[in-house]
Amino acid sequence: AQSVTQLDSQVPVFEEAPVELRCNYSSSVSVYLFWYVQYPNQGLQLLLKYLSGSTLVKGINGFEAEFNKSQTSFHLRKPSVHISDTAEYFCAGRSSNTGKLIFGQGTTLQVKP
Amino acid sequence: EAQVTQNPRYLITVTGKKLTVTCSQNMNHEYMSWYRQDPGLGLRQIYYSMNVEVTDKGDVPEGYKVSRKEKRNFPLILESPSPNQTSLYFCASSTQGANTIYFGEGSWLTVV
Repeated sequence: AQSVTQLDSQVPVFEEAPVELRCNYSSSVSVYLFWYVQYPNQGLQLLLKYLSGSTLVKGINGFEAEFNKSQTSFHLRKPSVHISDTAEYFCAGRSSNTGKLIFGQGTTLQVKP
Repeated sequence: EAQVTQNPRYLITVTGKKLTVTCSQNMNHEYMSWYRQDPGLGLRQIYYSMNVEVTDKGDVPEGYKVSRKEKRNFPLILESPSPNQTSLYFCASSTQGANTIYFGEGSWLTVV
């Protein structure tokens, strides 16, 4: 089955600490991978995407993600989080068959002072 | 400014009362789609449209209808809403094969 799995539903972290949000994808999902962020009461905003090339992708707001083909992972990282990073984060991948986006279940990042 | 506009943003309705959530994009995109977002399930695609008069079912189409009479508009129709359709709905658009998808701000729908 085509799937994108986010391994943590909630990640609490203190301000200025590093964070990693984990995402794994099935082999039937193409290697077009995305991270979206949803701030409270807002729509989805693209953080970063991997299409090809360098496996380390840098996005907005200091986030980066690393594509790891052997582990079928695309984990999102930030070395030092801010209170304003509190949001829900979605990993997504393009289906190899249909081209549509398949979303993970979402991870709520809670940054505490 | 490039945008996807949904209306209404918030709606409380009663079981069985037909409603339509409108979606409009100003980017001349061919591809449009509707998603619903539920806790613990992420976003699931309801319907999508590759172009005018071309629509197809997504993963959770039951209880919904769509139409694509014009390129810019892609309304979502709930003919007879039920409480299990209480959710947050997103409209999205992109060019064909594009890897940047634009999302609307979401429509909170509550069916009582």
